Amino acid sequence: AQTVTQSQPEMSVQEAETVTLSCTYDTSESDYYLFWYKQPPSRQMILVIRQEAYKQQNATENRFSVNFQKAAKSFSLKISDSQLGDAAMYFCAYREETSGSRLTFGEGTQLTVNP
Amino acid sequence: EAGVAQSPRYKIIEKRQSVAFWCNPISGHATLYWYQQILGQGPKLLIQFQNNGVVDDSQLPKDRFSAERLKGVDSTLKIQPAKLEDSAVYLCASSYVTGTLGVYEQYFGPGTRLTVT
Repeated sequence: AQTVTQSQPEMSVQEAETVTLSCTYDTSESDYYLFWYKQPPSRQMILVIRQEAYKQQNATENRFSVNFQKAAKSFSLKISDSQLGDAAMYFCAYREETSGSRLTFGEGTQLTVNP
Repeated sequence: EAGVAQSPRYKIIEKRQSVAFWCNPISGHATLYWYQQILGQGPKLLIQFQNNGVVDDSQLPKDRFSAERLKGVDSTLKIQPAKLEDSAVYLCASSYVTGTLGVYEQYFGPGTRLTVT
């Protein structure tokens, strides 16, 4: 079974600084997708960024970028120029390409942004 | 466009009572998911529908949980009887289509926070 591990239960960053959240996963598949979701206190899960495993280029979305290391099964999220509104729980998630679209989530990292 | 709607937002019940949650997906979305998110954990899929058919219910505790999507649109998730360990946030999500044709983003609703006392 696929597993997703986030080893940092909590992280903090100063406003305007950069922070990196870690994620590792375990799979025997070669084709899959990886995601980072943000969940603020409102509980609404919001997609931050996604990465297709077949793409070598790391995905970027404005201040958010990933470091995807397929061989190491590592998928970290970098948030640049952190803003107060970035404070939330961040979940790493995995989805196989061939067996439907179930998302397997990690345990989450609670990010605090200090003014 | 309107997002995924869920109700109620909060529910408190005693153990052994029953409860039902309602979800209205984004218009046109064929696939609907129910996830359970226990405090301090990531969401876990309970059941996935494609139109009104069940695609995956392997992690649904069928002795007490049931779900339906009769007309391929709205869905209800029921727990009967509830246990203390069912206290969690129940998230509904929808996507345009599932399968291997590409990545179709799952859009999540605001969730229902259930407390079983």
